[in-house]
Amino acid sequence: GIQVEQSPPDLILQEGANSTLRCNFSDSVNNLQWFHQNPWGQLINLFYIPSGTKQNGRLSATTVATERYSLLYISSSQTTDSGVYFCAVVTQGGSEKLVFGKGTKLTVNP
Amino acid sequence: NAGVTQTPKFRILKIGQSMTLQCTQDMNHNYMYWYRQDPGMGLKLIYYSVGAGITDKGEVPNGYNVSRSTTEDFPLRLELAAPSQTSVYFCASSRQGLYTEAFFGQGTRLTVV
Repeated sequence: GIQVEQSPPDLILQEGANSTLRCNFSDSVNNLQWFHQNPWGQLINLFYIPSGTKQNGRLSATTVATERYSLLYISSSQTTDSGVYFCAVVTQGGSEKLVFGKGTKLTVNP
Repeated sequence: NAGVTQTPKFRILKIGQSMTLQCTQDMNHNYMYWYRQDPGMGLKLIYYSVGAGITDKGEVPNGYNVSRSTTEDFPLRLELAAPSQTSVYFCASSRQGLYTEAFFGQGTRLTVV
């Protein structure tokens, strides 16, 4: 099955810093989503981005489907950005399964 | 609009007991999923359904059963609970699997003792 690798596994920032999270996948995808799991465990949709670039406030994401990676940019980080960021994909070729990476744990210190 | 609702939020089971985790969505989505998340890990797919009456196994189906009698509901049944089933369970739905966004419930934290 498809492999989804996220890097770095852990990231510690000072408030106000910028960061880039990466998601590599081993096969062509029809669907790619970024989620934020907050410290209370809730999964929050950030982006549905199988290709191209999207922005939402301080967050933006870019997926280069032909090169099999996606990037999540967080600018001017805030303590509320802390949590785990997951990338999840659905492969081409008939699979209906959303497959998750292991996540990047982000800690933003005041 | 409630989205995806899971009940209960927390549960403690004794080894060998059974229970049903409830999941309902009010978005008229065709696809529904059950995932489990172990500490420090990503989410692993247990079962999924592409519509009422249709279910299929995911990555880790052993020890679980599902049914999909209506579009709205997708309960997950645990028979003979084991400590290895201690986890956080998430239900999700999407309009269609491949090309649309999936939305998650708030999770059920299950402990088997």
